[in-house]
Amino acid sequence: GAVVSQHPSRVICKSGTSVKIECRSLDFQATTMFWYRQFPKQSLMLMATSNEGSKATYEQGVEKDKFLINHASLTLSTLTVTSAHPEDSSFYICSAREREYNEQFFGPGTRLTVL
Amino acid sequence: GQNIDQPTEMTATEGAIVQINCTYQTSGFNGLFWYQQHAGEAPTFLSYNVLDGLEEKGRFSSFLSRSKGYSYLLLKELQMKDSASYLCAVLDSNYQLIWGAGTKLIIKP
Repeated sequence: GAVVSQHPSRVICKSGTSVKIECRSLDFQATTMFWYRQFPKQSLMLMATSNEGSKATYEQGVEKDKFLINHASLTLSTLTVTSAHPEDSSFYICSAREREYNEQFFGPGTRLTVL
Repeated sequence: GQNIDQPTEMTATEGAIVQINCTYQTSGFNGLFWYQQHAGEAPTFLSYNVLDGLEEKGRFSSFLSRSKGYSYLLLKELQMKDSASYLCAVLDSNYQLIWGAGTKLIIKP
């Protein structure tokens, strides 16, 4: 199956700092990438959908100025958590799909801890 | 609104069979996915159904009835490593995945 990588896998930062998470599709071109957040013992929550070369579409309640998403190429999307606070501590997962009807392939996730 | 329902938690015995049900109400339907997620890890793909019927893949099978808005995931010959959450997700008319809350499956020896 297709491979999606995420970096870093784990990050611990101080409150107020910004954190960038990279999501790469390694062996296919991802026309669409998705960013999810998952709090402990809860389901995946879609944060935003990004298509290569266009602005991301954010889900209701997700602050676009706080969670900056850039999908600059068909193989790379980045999520930047700006001015992170302890309540932003979560498991962030990206996924990518090649075409509309294809399955989504998930990255391994990034565990963010904000102190 | 869009809704995916699946049981919160199920318990089964090693070596047995378990069926995890999923019912859905979505705006359009372009297929239903089952994913497995172990604690602290990202989901991994298990199956995809877009036509009615049963799809078998080794110990795992997935069934779909579009008229009933219903699917199930059947796990046979359960192993301890099958302890995980199982997520049902439907691809709606906009090709967005609508996720269920997941079913936590506990396997006992």
